[in-house]
Amino acid sequence: DTGVSQDPRHKITKRGQNVTFRCDPISEHNRLYWYRQTLGQGPEFLTYFQNEAQLEKSRLLSDRFSAERPKGSFSTLEIQRTEQGDSAMYLCASSPRQWRGPYEQYFGPGTRLTVT
Amino acid sequence: QKEVEQNSGPLSVPEGAIASLNCTYSDRGSQSFFWYRQYSGKSPELIMSIYSNGDKEDGRFTAQLNKASQYVSLLIRDSQPSDSATYLCAIKYSSASKIIFGSGTRLSIRP
Repeated sequence: DTGVSQDPRHKITKRGQNVTFRCDPISEHNRLYWYRQTLGQGPEFLTYFQNEAQLEKSRLLSDRFSAERPKGSFSTLEIQRTEQGDSAMYLCASSPRQWRGPYEQYFGPGTRLTVT
Repeated sequence: QKEVEQNSGPLSVPEGAIASLNCTYSDRGSQSFFWYRQYSGKSPELIMSIYSNGDKEDGRFTAQLNKASQYVSLLIRDSQPSDSATYLCAIKYSSASKIIFGSGTRLSIRP
């Protein structure tokens, strides 16, 4: 059983450029989450998919951010017109369908974005 | 007030001793509670989950939950240098899908 994978692991981009990250969840996990983590802080929720449906988005997810999960398998997170404040670790997590707790989420290795 | 509060540390514990990490939360609607371990530059790794009051043990780790006091803790017995990391406390509300994290406690195990 492979874990959650993310690509790329590191991305350096110039301010104003667009970037796209990919996440492949654990197979058969129907729930997928994106989080963002900056230095010294815990991860902050960005958005959540159940199968292909995007069911929840954080206010942190400005209109420059868009996420998709077109076939209910892998997901992409795109940031348009990047800003220096977007520099962070972008984490993807997945969880299986569960009818009762504890609803554990398993994280991928993350994509570290640096905007210069 | 933050939803999940942790002492940022660093907490320094001698090798072989018990490390005790604490976390308080503000919302009584919280359903599930998690402890993640995060090494520097790496992603969080789930080490314990708990959703019933009381203790839950897994190897050297024990999670303790007291919903009346809105308090969850993690005990690490026989601490090893490899336990040196940041420990993130996280909660999930019954009405939401997301997990809310604290800022983490840095734990250092000294030989």
